[in-house]
Amino acid sequence: EVRLVESGGGLVQPGGSLRLSCSASGFTFSNQWMGWVRQAPGKGLEWVAIIKEAEDEIRYVDSVKGRFTISRDNAKRSLFLQMNSLRGEDTAVYYCARGWAGDLWGQGTPVIVSS
Amino acid sequence: DVVMTQSPLSLPVTLGQSASISCRSSQGLVSADGNTYFNWFQQRPGQSPRRLINKVFNRDSGVPDRFSGSGSGTDFTLIISRVQAEDVGVYYCMQSTHWPPTFGEGTKVEIK
Repeated sequence: EVRLVESGGGLVQPGGSLRLSCSASGFTFSNQWMGWVRQAPGKGLEWVAIIKEAEDEIRYVDSVKGRFTISRDNAKRSLFLQMNSLRGEDTAVYYCARGWAGDLWGQGTPVIVSS
Repeated sequence: DVVMTQSPLSLPVTLGQSASISCRSSQGLVSADGNTYFNWFQQRPGQSPRRLINKVFNRDSGVPDRFSGSGSGTDFTLIISRVQAEDVGVYYCMQSTHWPPTFGEGTKVEIK
């Protein structure tokens, strides 16, 4: 079955860190751009970061530059998002998505930044 | 960033009737390779987004032919023919030609 499964979300204090993971199955992970998209409570969708197949190209949305780091392990078919210096406005459900055009999404993992 | 503007933001529809959603981009979406990377997504209540349409008019696998996309330049349309109860949710347009890919505000489709 073709699927993406996120994990690692939770409650964290402002200024804290969290590492999200996404496990892929059912397709050739190493051949795909992969990224993270977030959705704040009751709000729309926002691309956060994306990484090319061999990690030779990485892009971030301006609001997370310098704080978030996207990475991948093709051997383990896994995608990661290291989130540091978290702020209240980072509170959202974080989705793992395949490709720039998001043709496959995971179920999401919630991140709550609050004291 | 490219701004995507959807209308309407709320769309009550009678079962069996058609629904039309518009999306306008703040700049052209034709890529250097000649493709227009414009997409439509459906997000049912409590679910993840699901892509319905890619590159303006191509339906993704498993998407009913009741869903059709059209448009060019900066103006695009999603039409849902013969709306069914399972079509309730929020529909988003998204451009993936330019970084970052950007979404419209979403159109909430509900049954009258």
